[in-house]
Amino acid sequence: DAGVTQSPTHLIKTRGQQVTLRCSPISGHKSVSWYQQVLGQGPQFIFQYYEKEERGRGNFPDRFSARQFPNYSSELNVNALLLGDSALYLCASSLVSANYGYTFGSGTRLTVV
Amino acid sequence: AQSVTQPDIHITVSEGASLELRCNYSYGATPYLFWYVQSPGQGLQLLLKYFSGDTLVQGIKGFEAEFKRSQSSFNLRKPSVHWSDAAEYFCAVPQESLTFGKGTMLLVSP
Repeated sequence: DAGVTQSPTHLIKTRGQQVTLRCSPISGHKSVSWYQQVLGQGPQFIFQYYEKEERGRGNFPDRFSARQFPNYSSELNVNALLLGDSALYLCASSLVSANYGYTFGSGTRLTVV
Repeated sequence: AQSVTQPDIHITVSEGASLELRCNYSYGATPYLFWYVQSPGQGLQLLLKYFSGDTLVQGIKGFEAEFKRSQSSFNLRKPSVHWSDAAEYFCAVPQESLTFGKGTMLLVSP
């Protein structure tokens, strides 16, 4: 059974551009969460979606948005990229909630130049 | 709000020696607690989790953790460290989503 898959694995963008990151959860998992991990830090929560509805949002600006599709896959969009958005973006899926733990993908490494 | 603190940023252990990584939580009721490991440039892998019941939890790769309510701790242990255990370790607690500690980088010396 496939794990959580994320695409692309690496991405280089210019300041001011927009980026879309994609995530496919484990089959049967209905909850997807997005995290940003800056080098040397722990993952920071961005969004959680469950059954296509936003269930939680971390302390990130409105430049960050996400959505979940009927097949439970998800996209994270970041507009007007800043140098500080350079990070590893992690997607995690779970059956329902965080109480049961998450399975993480390998992440998308975004570099903004 | 639930949170976890990992007081050690870096720890160096000799190969074959025992390991203990510290995690302290702040929460009134019995929390759910997790330990994850992250190799460089990779995602996070779940090592073990505590929900309730037996306070000593066994995980993958020979790791275990003990929940101690009196000390608000959930420390990760391994009796004999291998060079392949060198990685960053994160303690986490569900708070809206998973909230992670800042992590402890484990270095293994020959």
